[in-house]
Amino acid sequence: LHLQESGPGLVKPSETLSLTCTVSGDSINRTSYYWGWVRQPPGKGLEWIGSIYYTGRAYYSPSLKSRVTLSVDTSKNQFALNLSSVTAADTAVFYCVATGVITGWFDPWGQGTLVTVSS
Amino acid sequence: NFMLTQPHSVSESPGKTATISCTGNSGSIASNYVQWYQQRPGSAPTTVIFENDQRPSGVPNRFSGSIDSSSNSASLTISGLKTEDEADYYCQSFDSSISNWVFGGGTKLTVL
Repeated sequence: LHLQESGPGLVKPSETLSLTCTVSGDSINRTSYYWGWVRQPPGKGLEWIGSIYYTGRAYYSPSLKSRVTLSVDTSKNQFALNLSSVTAADTAVFYCVATGVITGWFDPWGQGTLVTVSS
Repeated sequence: NFMLTQPHSVSESPGKTATISCTGNSGSIASNYVQWYQQRPGSAPTTVIFENDQRPSGVPNRFSGSIDSSSNSASLTISGLKTEDEADYYCQSFDSSISNWVFGGGTKLTVL
């Protein structure tokens, strides 16, 4: 199983950050995984953003819930993150991850992609 | 909400043993599995312990994990420290009450 993030590396303040994660090596319909996003601001720790099941059932971090939308496209074996009304505080490396339904184990991780919020 | 607290930093000498704690602020940490991730600068996190005490293939048996229900904490122990073990370590678990995944704040391990 392999995950790869893609999307713009630069987003303007107040706009929407959009990233896609492409899953390869297995089907995103696999019932044993949630598909999620984790971010890491420069020099700071890991923050779980949200996770989605292949059915579309999504779970969000309370601190980001009002601005985050996750979606899944089973035909493309992809899932996506939209984060609206971004500010400089949203600048971070964003990782997509597979999460075991039973164990809650985050594995594997994508390589991560740096998104900078700046005008 | 359920939170996990780690020491900001731990420092130990090569060949010694380092232990990093991860303490839950409420509920029972034993209710859900705890994972531990190692992150070196510029790289994505990798798993060193999953399901409280299981090592993925390729992780040396110098790494071990445990749960202590009495203190509502998990621990990562690294014995026979090597300079290559110097990294940031994060614990992670699940908050069943609101179906959210949670990370600890991370611990910087220095081996010198």
